[in-house]
Amino acid sequence: EDQVTQSPEALRLQEGESSSLNCSYTVSGLRGLFWYRQDPGKGPEFLFTLYSAGEEKEKERLKATLTKKESFLHITAPKPEDSATYLCAVHPRGETSGSRLTFGEGTQLTVNP
Amino acid sequence: DGGITQSPKYLFRKEGQNVTLSCEQNLNHDAMYWYRQDPGQGLRLIYYSQIVNDFQKGDIAEGYSVSREKKESFPLTVTSAQKNPTAFYLCASSKIRDTPYEQYFGPGTRLTVT
Repeated sequence: EDQVTQSPEALRLQEGESSSLNCSYTVSGLRGLFWYRQDPGKGPEFLFTLYSAGEEKEKERLKATLTKKESFLHITAPKPEDSATYLCAVHPRGETSGSRLTFGEGTQLTVNP
Repeated sequence: DGGITQSPKYLFRKEGQNVTLSCEQNLNHDAMYWYRQDPGQGLRLIYYSQIVNDFQKGDIAEGYSVSREKKESFPLTVTSAQKNPTAFYLCASSKIRDTPYEQYFGPGTRLTVT
């Protein structure tokens, strides 16, 4: 069974304090791994797609990396507006999964000024 | 602007009533999805459709029904058989023929049943 586990569940940082969020996955082959940002009461906003181990993507203060077992979302010098829940999802390679994704439960990030 | 619209944003119903949530997309995506999100939890897949007039059950389909008569539209009906319908409902869409397969989400509908 495909599984995605995100840690920590919640993270509090001071503005400017860099850190990383973790997404560990167990899938029967990986087509892609996705990161989303979700603000309270809103739909998730797509951030990154990673396809293969060693790949990295960057956007402003965020950098996503991928290994064969996990992905990290690195946040450099965060600002209060980076506060949100960050979701990780995987697209397994199995034929029966079709286009469906498996989501983790998210990491709730709070950045204090 | 291309995107996904969901309506209404807030919906209130009495127990025992069926209610239909709307989802429309103009991204020309083949696949559409319905998720449920409860407080402090991740997304759980209710139904998804990869082609018009066809759809598959997700992980929590009991008490829900869908239709896909048009590529752009994928309405979700929450029936009276759903035991705990109060939740935040999210619709998404994606390509299926070419990578990448990321899903794009609508703004959500918050359903409250009393």
